[in-house]
Amino acid sequence: LAKTTQPISMDSYEGQEVNITCSHNNIATNDYITWYQQFPSQGPRFIIQGYKTKVTNEVASLFIPADRKSSTLSLPRVSLSDTAVYYCLVGALISSGSARQLTFGSGTQLTVLP
Amino acid sequence: KAGVTQTPRYLIKTRGQQVTLSCSPISGHRSVSWYQQTPGQGLQFLFEYFSETQRNKGNFPGRFSGRQFSNSRSEMNVSTLELGDSALYLCASSLQGPAYEQYFGPGTRLTVT
Repeated sequence: LAKTTQPISMDSYEGQEVNITCSHNNIATNDYITWYQQFPSQGPRFIIQGYKTKVTNEVASLFIPADRKSSTLSLPRVSLSDTAVYYCLVGALISSGSARQLTFGSGTQLTVLP
Repeated sequence: KAGVTQTPRYLIKTRGQQVTLSCSPISGHRSVSWYQQTPGQGLQFLFEYFSETQRNKGNFPGRFSGRQFSNSRSEMNVSTLELGDSALYLCASSLQGPAYEQYFGPGTRLTVT
């Protein structure tokens, strides 16, 4: 079972780059790493997913070192609207039906200050 | 296209009662997963259904059960409610499974008194 650990909170200022790291020491070979954003009173929203090295989309980058025991979500030039809780999720792409659990991190509250 | 919908949005029940929550996934999505979110435990995976079969199960007691219908709509049932079951219950749908990109509904806020 891949346990994940994230910082509880982070503060940043508008326009800065923010990096949030998730530790997942017991990640399995078939596990992918996914990051979600959650605003109050809403369900989480998908940000980015990766397996190894670097993945970039229009909103974020995800860096995964070779040992895959951690991952870093990078948000470029954050704005006030990026204030939210960010979760990392580790889980296998394909499940054969066994009781393989998906593990969400405890979440990182990012507060962007003006 | 329409997003994931969950009904009801809010629910108040008494200890010992049972409750059924409903989730309608995005059209074409065959995987539906359920999560419990509480301030103390965070987001916890309950189970996943794919094409009417439970494919994954989290670490919850048997009081928590679910099912999926042929149109991919899913229901979650909690029997013999306890105070600790008070939580936000989230449903998420995806094309292939919860480790892929998931689309979450707004959740059902369950309060057990």
